[in-house]
Amino acid sequence: GEDVEQSLFLSVREGDSSVINCTYTDSSSTYLYWYKQEPGAGLQLLTYIFSNMDMKQDQRLTVLLNKKDKHLSLRIADTQTGDSAIYFCAESQASGGSYIPTFGRGTSLIVHP
Amino acid sequence: NAGVTQTPKFRVLKTGQSMTLLCAQDMNHEYMYWYRQDPGMGLRLIHYSVGEGTTAKGEVPDGYNVSRLKKQNFLLGLESAAPSQTSVYFCASKVGSGELFFGEGSRLTVL
Repeated sequence: GEDVEQSLFLSVREGDSSVINCTYTDSSSTYLYWYKQEPGAGLQLLTYIFSNMDMKQDQRLTVLLNKKDKHLSLRIADTQTGDSAIYFCAESQASGGSYIPTFGRGTSLIVHP
Repeated sequence: NAGVTQTPKFRVLKTGQSMTLLCAQDMNHEYMYWYRQDPGMGLRLIHYSVGEGTTAKGEVPDGYNVSRLKKQNFLLGLESAAPSQTSVYFCASKVGSGELFFGEGSRLTVL
């Protein structure tokens, strides 16, 4: 199975909350990230959480981490049309002294009026 | 700061042709990575480097070669391009376990 899994699509109405879910398999993951990719662009870091944290909030973004279930979620409050993008979950672990980030397949968030 | 710069941004090749993608970063990062992005497949790691003069294989290295002769540059080469290598290629760099900085991507089409 894949190391990082996330659903491929999410459609929400403008103003609603969006919740994007991610599961990972490696319990030694030290950092977990959410990246955003807008059309025709590279990925940009949205937020991240250390594995010793349960929650992180940053303005409209809330990241929840359940280490027991290896589940990560990203909640976007008051979703706007500008939030339409692909969101990638990623985890990073040390491997022989180097850090190899592993990405999920990405969740396409579609925000409609 | 330019960050991570990839050249070229677009390229069309015929099957069997060769080419090199250049990635340059001005942040003095040790780690550099080449990913390919295909619809529904997310990002797959091709090769990576943990420092000048070192390279290692990622998840999908076949058909690609890389070199890191200078710390700021990471080159991705295709010796004999195949249609299966049609993709969008992203270079990224980072320091240790920190944030990955991505280039804007290079769209390659192999006919």
